[in-house]
Amino acid sequence: DTGVSQDPRHKITKRGQNVTFRCDPISEHNRLYWYRQTLGQGPEFLTYFQNEAQLEKSRLLSDRFSAERPKGSFSTLEIQRTEQGDSAMYLCASSSSGSTNEQYFGPGTRLTVT
Amino acid sequence: QKEVEQDPGPLSVPEGAIVSLNCTYSNSAFQYFMWYRQYSRKGPELLMYTYSSGNKEDGRFTAQVDKSSKYISLFIRDSQPSDSATYLCAMTGGFKTIFGAGTRLFVKA
Repeated sequence: DTGVSQDPRHKITKRGQNVTFRCDPISEHNRLYWYRQTLGQGPEFLTYFQNEAQLEKSRLLSDRFSAERPKGSFSTLEIQRTEQGDSAMYLCASSSSGSTNEQYFGPGTRLTVT
Repeated sequence: QKEVEQDPGPLSVPEGAIVSLNCTYSNSAFQYFMWYRQYSRKGPELLMYTYSSGNKEDGRFTAQVDKSSKYISLFIRDSQPSDSATYLCAMTGGFKTIFGAGTRLFVKA
């Protein structure tokens, strides 16, 4: 297994456009997380899936943000009507079920909104 | 007050030095404690994971947890220039993980 992968690695978009990011977790992991990280800060939790069920969403996740994980495998994060404040690194992580919650991160998608 | 406090640094040390990185937290519900290393423009890489109070050692790295003081530490022995990165502490009491802001470390050759 090659770990968590994310696509694209970089995305430049104009304000008001919609963007979609994809995350492929480690194959045996049933938990998947999305985070946002801005310069000089640690990752901030956005949302969490266990299998295909989205169990928690942060208040950071406004109505313009939506995430899906059909069939409990890969996940997508869509941002509609992007704003300059959405510019950040979007990180995906996965973990196996159980009590330890060790999360393994992908390389991230860097979004720049112009 | 943030749930997790971490000095952002930067911390600059000579090669071979012992490095001490620390975080404090306020939520006593946190049960699991992790340290991640993040190189510039990369995703965080899990370094150490601990559950109980005490020490855990892995090569040049030692993680220490003091739940009574709500204080965790990461020690790096014989630091190398390749250790230059941002170190993030993280902790969780369930599915939600809270990260510190990260400490930037520079190890000079």
